[in-house]
Amino acid sequence: GAGVSQTPSNKVTEKGKYVELRCDPISGHTALYWYRQSLGQGPEFLIYFQGTGAADDSGLPNDRFFAVRPEGSVSTLKIQRTERGDSAVYLCASSLDSGSYNEQFFGPGTRLTVL
Amino acid sequence: DAKTTQPPSMDCAEGRAANLPCNHSTISGNEYVYWYRQIHSQGPQYIIHGLKNNETNEMASLIITEDRKSSTLILPHATLRDTAVYYCIVSEHGNQFYFGTGTSLTVIP
Repeated sequence: GAGVSQTPSNKVTEKGKYVELRCDPISGHTALYWYRQSLGQGPEFLIYFQGTGAADDSGLPNDRFFAVRPEGSVSTLKIQRTERGDSAVYLCASSLDSGSYNEQFFGPGTRLTVL
Repeated sequence: DAKTTQPPSMDCAEGRAANLPCNHSTISGNEYVYWYRQIHSQGPQYIIHGLKNNETNEMASLIITEDRKSSTLILPHATLRDTAVYYCIVSEHGNQFYFGTGTSLTVIP
């Protein structure tokens, strides 16, 4: 079956612009996660959703970052007034449910470059 | 903050067992140990997880010490395709993972 997909695969933008990154989870997965990964580092947790609601957004670095999942499936990560330090690979993952027994399946990521 | 310590890099000969250590001395009683790996330019891939007992699946074995302060991931017969960064993670609920920098494993022909 189809895995987690993310679009676009690459995004180049200018400092100060607004960007949206999309994640399509595996069908039927109720939990969805966003991470970002800087060069040479492991993925850094941003936020996770259980259904439509953000169950934990403690990893969002500041109020320029926002994520939604209005119908409990597709999610969009939104970044306002982008800065060069936002350049990273943004990873999305989904799992059948939240909790310790549920494997997270990752997408290929969106590489964001802020010039 | 990552709660685990891993060596930054390791080599392993093809066909031999790869033993990847992880220290998690501050692990709490309800926290599981998870292992993921990330092959270059791909998203992380789940390998295995466990709480107290040793676990084995088709990919690997996970050995957790009795005091649960450390664990070892074993790839029994490493292949070139196992070259990747391996992350050891502790988490109570399996939700917000803190990956750290992992161990870069290179399998040598």
